[in-house]
Parts: sequence; structure tokens; C-alpha cells
Amino acid sequence: SQTIHQWPATLVQPVGSPLSLECTVEGTSNPNLYWYRQAAGRGLQLLFYSVGIGQISSEVPQNLSASRPQDRQFILSSKKLLLSDSGFYLCAWTLTLGNTEAFFGQGTRLTVV
Amino acid sequence: GENVEQHPSTLSVQEGDSAVIKCTYSDSASNYFPWYKQELGKGPQLIIDIRSNVGEKKDQRIAVTLNKTAKHFSLHITETQPEDSAVYFCAAFGNSGNTPLVFGKGTRLSVIA
Repeated sequence: SQTIHQWPATLVQPVGSPLSLECTVEGTSNPNLYWYRQAAGRGLQLLFYSVGIGQISSEVPQNLSASRPQDRQFILSSKKLLLSDSGFYLCAWTLTLGNTEAFFGQGTRLTVV
Repeated sequence: GENVEQHPSTLSVQEGDSAVIKCTYSDSASNYFPWYKQELGKGPQLIIDIRSNVGEKKDQRIAVTLNKTAKHFSLHITETQPEDSAVYFCAAFGNSGNTPLVFGKGTRLSVIA
């Protein structure tokens, strides 16, 4: 069966520090991968998605970047965190780009102080 | 691109009553409409979905209806229980072939015992 792992579960980082969140998927090949951010009381904002190794689409301009070094690995990064980067970050995968079930990780609660 | 509006943002019901959450979408070519449930501190999970070739789908206490002419779809939960308390998200697939799911902003449902 397929599983998605996301870590760390919680993270407290100072302003200006770098960020690296990792997501891996097991049990499937060539998944479509996504990073979402959920601010307190807000909806799911799509940040990046990837349809293959090295292919990254950005939905909103921001202080973050994403990379997909391997088929089932998706990384969210920042060189210098801002206070506004605080939020709940979710990784997800699907078999096709939009019209099938999305499987979400457990999320990372990031607090920038 | 696709735009999904979800109402209400919060909903409180007495245990045993029904709850209805409504969403509208903008892309008349959309053909896939899932609903996700997010419990506190976790990632969203698919609870039911509907495709554009049907008008209604039921799964025990949960049902989804779709009105393609009006471009809206609704989630119905009957005989609500405290464990139904969560944030619910609707989503639509824009059918452009190369864009991911677009989510609504979510509804926080509270079932009062």
C-alpha cells in the first residue's frame, strides 16, 4: 500500500534561518507531488506541485522554493525565513494531476519566531 | 482558472441534526468534486467524491449532490455525531488537463453534544 511521510511534525525557527521540509512517498511510482500551506483558520493554499523529477510548478511568488531530487521525494526550502512563513505545511500526492484522490501527509507545524 | 467558493466558514449543529456545506465553482468543464475532512493537527482525508456524470452519491450518513447547471455542489451529513467535528474542504478539478485540484477555504463544523 502507498504511504506518505512528512517530517518534522513541528518546527520552531528564528527569523532569517533556513528551512528544509522533506516529504517521501512509498508504494507508488511517478506520483504527482504537492506542497500546501494552511495558515491559522485559512484554507489550503497550493504552493508548488511537481509532475516529475526536476519539474516544479510554482503557484504563488514567495520566500519558498521546492525541489524534487528523486521520483518520490519532495523538498520545501527557504534560505531566510520570514515571520509570515509560519503555518501548517502539508505534502500530498496523487496518481494523476487533479481528478483522483489526493493523499496528504500529517503536516508540519512551522513557527517562525 | 478554476475558482471554488465554500460556505459557511463555520457551522454549529446539535448532535443528531443535519449539516449542509455548499460550494460553487467557476469552470463549467470541471468534472471531479471531492470532499475532504481534516481533524485537528492532521492532514485532510477524502470522505466522498462525485463525478460530473452523476447528480448524487451517498455513503452511509454522508451524501454529496451536484448541480452542473448552477455549478454548485453540496455535502450533507445526517444524524451528526461529535466525531464529525472537523474542518471540511470541497475541491474541484478544472479539467484543463494540467492543473491540480482547487480547494475551497474550508468549513469548521462543530457538533454539540
